[in-house]
Amino acid sequence: DAKTTQPPSMDCAEGRAANLPCNHSTISGNEYVYWYRQIHSQGPQYIIHGLKNNETNEMASLIITEDRKSSTLILPHATLRDTAVYYCIVRLRGLNAGNMLTFGGGTRLMVKP
Amino acid sequence: SQTIHQWPATLVQPVGSPLSLECTVEGTSNPNLYWYRQAAGRGLQLLFYSVGIGQISSEVPQNLSASRPQDRQFILSSKKLLLSDSGFYLCAWLGPDGYTFGSGTRLTVV
Repeated sequence: DAKTTQPPSMDCAEGRAANLPCNHSTISGNEYVYWYRQIHSQGPQYIIHGLKNNETNEMASLIITEDRKSSTLILPHATLRDTAVYYCIVRLRGLNAGNMLTFGGGTRLMVKP
Repeated sequence: SQTIHQWPATLVQPVGSPLSLECTVEGTSNPNLYWYRQAAGRGLQLLFYSVGIGQISSEVPQNLSASRPQDRQFILSSKKLLLSDSGFYLCAWLGPDGYTFGSGTRLTVV
């Protein structure tokens, strides 16, 4: 799996958009970008994934640059409950058992009132 | 829909005692299952994965073992716990669109 780089921490005001960046300059053509988040003392939760097109779901939007070397997760209206560690991961999609996740340190997002 | 159950949620065990953590998956068959450990303030470390009954792959040499006695059951064990085994243990299932994690077990070895 390609390595990712994320800022260790970010703050965001409640109600504002939270934009979390991720660099993955060594991503290969068939690797997807996945985002997970982990709220304190819980298991990681899947947020969104994409290959090269921008994606949006009920939780967030994912913007992937044209060269695919970086991406941004956007939480459009952050709430206090969005305070968590956000992990950006690149991996092949599929059920290959060797296709395991490698979690780095992630970005600790603190949403403040 | 698929769900993953993991228990207990918290566990305090003395050094040298045995360990058994259980994980079960519902709503799917022949799942790929994983055990991860997370030390305080750090990322996830893969411990074991299993592609089927009786099939276990170990990623990190350690004081732990895993077993897959049934298709949807994955067990993490130790015969004698060490202080360094303390951590947050997560079971995960790999589906078509990524991983679903259990709620985790926080193990404190004292």
